Amino acid sequence: GAVVSQHPSWVICKSGTSVKIECRSLDFQATTMFWYRQFPKQSLMLMATSNEGSKATYEQGVEKDKFLINHASLTLSTLTVTSAHPEDSSFYICSASRPWVGSGDTQYFGPGTRLTVL
Amino acid sequence: GENVEQHPSTLSVQEGDSAVIKCTYSDSASNYFPWYKQELGKGPQLIIDIRSNVGEKKDQRIAVTLNKTAKHFSLHITETQPEDSAVYFCAASWDSGGGADGLTFGKGTHLIIQP
Repeated sequence: GAVVSQHPSWVICKSGTSVKIECRSLDFQATTMFWYRQFPKQSLMLMATSNEGSKATYEQGVEKDKFLINHASLTLSTLTVTSAHPEDSSFYICSASRPWVGSGDTQYFGPGTRLTVL
Repeated sequence: GENVEQHPSTLSVQEGDSAVIKCTYSDSASNYFPWYKQELGKGPQLIIDIRSNVGEKKDQRIAVTLNKTAKHFSLHITETQPEDSAVYFCAASWDSGGGADGLTFGKGTHLIIQP
């Protein structure tokens, strides 16, 4: 299998506070992890690429000081939304890239975290 | 960067009929094309993928075709069932063999299976 978990599944916080979201690959070691954001009835947009032991690479327009990514091991990446504001309310989804011998990497997604900032 | 166009945005078919969703991509360097199914409030689930070294791949009722020259790929679902109702996303990326880039997604197709 290729199971990816996220915690929490949903979170409500007050404006100005920080929220941490965890992403874990449960049955494989991920070469790379990715963070995406999805607004209601829209597609997924890549926010950043995360490799274990190195700094994350952020997509254009994504504030690295606002969305802090830590990739502590080959099975764990965390996204911290700092000083959250209502416009940060969204569905945050991580994916973990699993390498297949003779094939290539395949991305498996977590169940997502619904963030609501009041 | 890569741009992926997906059509149609909504597709309604009778149960038992076939459904086809089409995507085009802009970056000829892209070599990996997965399809995901997303149900409301859940993360995307990989249903099938194809790499640029093959033109077609099939898994039971689901098939994907790739035309590298025209830069388009399609998802085919046969004998549709009510549980196939969901939003389907196509995506594209480049996999160097030493690691893949993040995915660029199409806007999604809401597939509705009419009983």
